[in-house]
Amino acid sequence: QVQLQESGPGLVKTSGTLSLTCAVSGGSIISTTWWSWIRQPPGKGLEWIGEVYQSGTTNYNPSLRGRVIISLDKSKNQFSLKVNSVTAADTAVYFCARLREIEVAGTFDTWGQGTLVTVSS
Amino acid sequence: QSVLTQPPSVSAAPGQKVTISCSGRVSNIGNNYVSWYQQLPGTAPKLLIYDNDKRSSGIPDRFSGTKSGTSATLGISGLQAGDEADYYCGTWDDSLTSFWVFGGGTKLTVL
Repeated sequence: QVQLQESGPGLVKTSGTLSLTCAVSGGSIISTTWWSWIRQPPGKGLEWIGEVYQSGTTNYNPSLRGRVIISLDKSKNQFSLKVNSVTAADTAVYFCARLREIEVAGTFDTWGQGTLVTVSS
Repeated sequence: QSVLTQPPSVSAAPGQKVTISCSGRVSNIGNNYVSWYQQLPGTAPKLLIYDNDKRSSGIPDRFSGTKSGTSATLGISGLQAGDEADYYCGTWDDSLTSFWVFGGGTKLTVL
């Protein structure tokens, strides 16, 4: 059974870069699936950030306007998130998740526990 | 503001049934399959329903999903105290800039 675990600094300075890693265990990151990052500001709903495929192909939420990079490290069986030029609005719990087609369409069937990142000067 | 619209809150007594609506557009719910997620306090979301109406592994048949046009609905029958959580709908939006979208979440209170 695949498990996901986020890691990274819990505090990032305003205008700096937020960097998180998601370790994949119980399965290979080289599979016919997309790996996503999703965030949740305190007391608010879910926001999809972006995704990466085994080939390195990525898709991003247009609202993040080019500030995001998601990449894959096959040798470490993990994928990563970088968000540049962060502000207080980027303070959130960040989740990594697996997108899988169980039968017909993609769905987020496995989630990490989430990690809180606070942006502050 | 979320792309998909959900009521902020719903409530019902134990044993009763409740429904949670999720409204969108042709570019998202209208053209694509909907999933539903349950988020218990302080935890990560958990997949309940996928492909509009299929229960994820281990999810009891008290949970059901339907879709019609540009709206989807999650039903929970035989309410239990442990069902108290936030519920989110989600789907793909294939407008000009395609991306995954979620509803704003609905807080279920079991009275």
